[in-house]
Amino acid sequence: GDSVTQMEGPVTLSEEAFLTINCTYTATGYPSLFWYVQYPGEGLQLLLKATKADDKGSNKGFEATYRKETTSFHLEKGSVQVSDSAVYFCALSMGTGNQFYFGTGTSLTVIP
Amino acid sequence: NAGVTQTPKFRVLKTGQSMTLLCAQDMNHEYMYWYRQDPGMGLRLIHYSVGEGTTAKGEVPDGYNVSRLKKQNFLLGLESAAPSQTSVYFCASNRGINTGELFFGEGSRLTVL
Repeated sequence: GDSVTQMEGPVTLSEEAFLTINCTYTATGYPSLFWYVQYPGEGLQLLLKATKADDKGSNKGFEATYRKETTSFHLEKGSVQVSDSAVYFCALSMGTGNQFYFGTGTSLTVIP
Repeated sequence: NAGVTQTPKFRVLKTGQSMTLLCAQDMNHEYMYWYRQDPGMGLRLIHYSVGEGTTAKGEVPDGYNVSRLKKQNFLLGLESAAPSQTSVYFCASNRGINTGELFFGEGSRLTVL
């Protein structure tokens, strides 16, 4: 079935370091792909998305490219800040019922 | 802008008690979902609805019931709570378009003793 596998954490980085969180997916069709972020004590909010192959989603300095050939949607940021400390979820959605499938989440802590 | 609102935010139950979580959205979204979030498990879909009067089972539906009598509301019920249902519950909604995003509530933390 459809699923998402993402890099396990936790990840701890120093401020201004480069961030990569790996995400790969399995899907029978052509899913839309998403990255959600969850700050402490809050619900999930959309960070970025891509709806077709080779699309690049970007927001707040984060980027991810929909790679059909490697079934991947890795999240990257060139220079992280303390305020980026959160849990990041990769997700995909398919058509019928618009069901969403989430990865297990990757906790990121950025230290000054 | 209220978006998706969940009530209550916190609740403590004893084993065997029942309760209902209410989710309300003001975006006229067709689709609504209930997820539970547990450490190391990510989000797991409990039930969802693709429109008023419809419901469907998700990945982990056992022990839960839902109703969608009004388009804007999606209720999650626990008839006889068990400690395994201790979790954080999230409601979400979606316009129903394939590329659309999920909008989440702030979560409801439930503890079953």
